[in-house]
Amino acid sequence: GDSVTQMEGPVTLSEEACLTINCTYTATGYPSLFWYVQYPGEGLQLLLKATKADDKGSNKGFEATYRKETTSFHLEKGSVQVSDSAVYFCALTRTGANSKLTFGKGITLSVRP
Amino acid sequence: DGGITQSPKYLFRKEGQNVTLSCEQNLNHDAMYWYRQDPGQGLRLIYYSQIVNDFQKGDIAEGYSVSREKKESFPLTVTSAQKNPTAFYLCASSIGDRAEAFFGQGTRLTVV
Repeated sequence: GDSVTQMEGPVTLSEEACLTINCTYTATGYPSLFWYVQYPGEGLQLLLKATKADDKGSNKGFEATYRKETTSFHLEKGSVQVSDSAVYFCALTRTGANSKLTFGKGITLSVRP
Repeated sequence: DGGITQSPKYLFRKEGQNVTLSCEQNLNHDAMYWYRQDPGQGLRLIYYSQIVNDFQKGDIAEGYSVSREKKESFPLTVTSAQKNPTAFYLCASSIGDRAEAFFGQGTRLTVV
């Protein structure tokens, strides 16, 4: 079945540091890939998405590129802020009967001033 | 404003009681989902529905039940058969077919 694997956390960075959160996936066909963000006590918000190979999703300074050859969708940001502290989830979905969203376990990011 | 609304935000249940969590969306989405979130375990799929009057079990459906009588509504009942129901419950909807999901703000259920 489909699966998403995220790097182990938590991650703690200083403000203005570079961020990379690894995500790899297993799925048949051509899934769409997503990064979601969750702030404390809230639901998930879509951060960015990519729907085909080599697409780059971007939003709020975050970027991720759909790499079919390595089945990866790593999240990157060049300079993190304290306000980026949250839980980040990688996810996929694909076409097909009863297709459903599949999430990774999530990773907590804490950014120190 | 279009969106997905969960209620209540906090819910307390006595052992042996059934409780129902509400989820309503006005996005005209066909697909709806229920997830359970526990610390350190990410999101686990309870039930999902791709169309009115049809739904499928997810990975942890035991002790839960759902209905999908209207496109806008997908309530989740946590039954007394669910032995460890204390968790954060998230509802989501999607237009389906490789599209992103939109999430509600969640319901935190606590057994007292």
